[in-house]
Amino acid sequence: SSELTQPPSVSVSPGQTARITCSGETLARQHGFWYQQKAGQAPIMVIYRDSGRPSGIPERFSGSSSGTTVTLTITAVQAEDEADYYCQSTDSATSFGGVFGGGTKLTVL
Amino acid sequence: EVQLVESGGGLVQPGGSLRLSCEAAGFTFSDYWMHWVRQAPGKGLVWVSRINKDGSSTISADAVKGRFTISRDNAKNTLYLQMNSLRGDDSAVYFCAREGDWNDVSMDVWGKGTTVSVSS
Repeated sequence: SSELTQPPSVSVSPGQTARITCSGETLARQHGFWYQQKAGQAPIMVIYRDSGRPSGIPERFSGSSSGTTVTLTITAVQAEDEADYYCQSTDSATSFGGVFGGGTKLTVL
Repeated sequence: EVQLVESGGGLVQPGGSLRLSCEAAGFTFSDYWMHWVRQAPGKGLVWVSRINKDGSSTISADAVKGRFTISRDNAKNTLYLQMNSLRGDDSAVYFCAREGDWNDVSMDVWGKGTTVSVSS
């Protein structure tokens, strides 16, 4: 099965820009999705198909893709953005199942 | 309001069985593929199973293949996960999720989850 690799943690001060990367061979052929999960809550989708932003997600959340890497960018980070972030894609081994990255803990200093 | 509500979690002994349910509301359930995703305590999200709109096609992660079965009843707007031969490493919060409308494996709506604990 495919693998997606994320950094375990990212720290930024309020107002700065946070970038979280996700790498994996499957991303060369499949779209990437990003989810935010706050402590004790269910995940919510914040980016779809590499760079789309679902309704209700603040404009400071954006996504990009290059080769085998997708990147989640949060500009002007706010304290409320502190959460775990997961990338996800289609498992290229099956083209039918899913795969998540290990998650990145975003800490707002 | 679009909503997914899981139920059926609990404490079960190793080797036992459990059936999880996920009731959908606020959208046409039969129009969407559906997923189960789990999260062990303090760990990350792990994709478990996926089912197509009419239930005729399913796929599961290797870790649960042959033990877990995903199914659905569109007349009842309900998704199921039958879990057999449970092991300690199956202990987790189990989320059901609706697939996004982009012809990709993705999850655009999530339930709050139900907790499964496997222990003697």
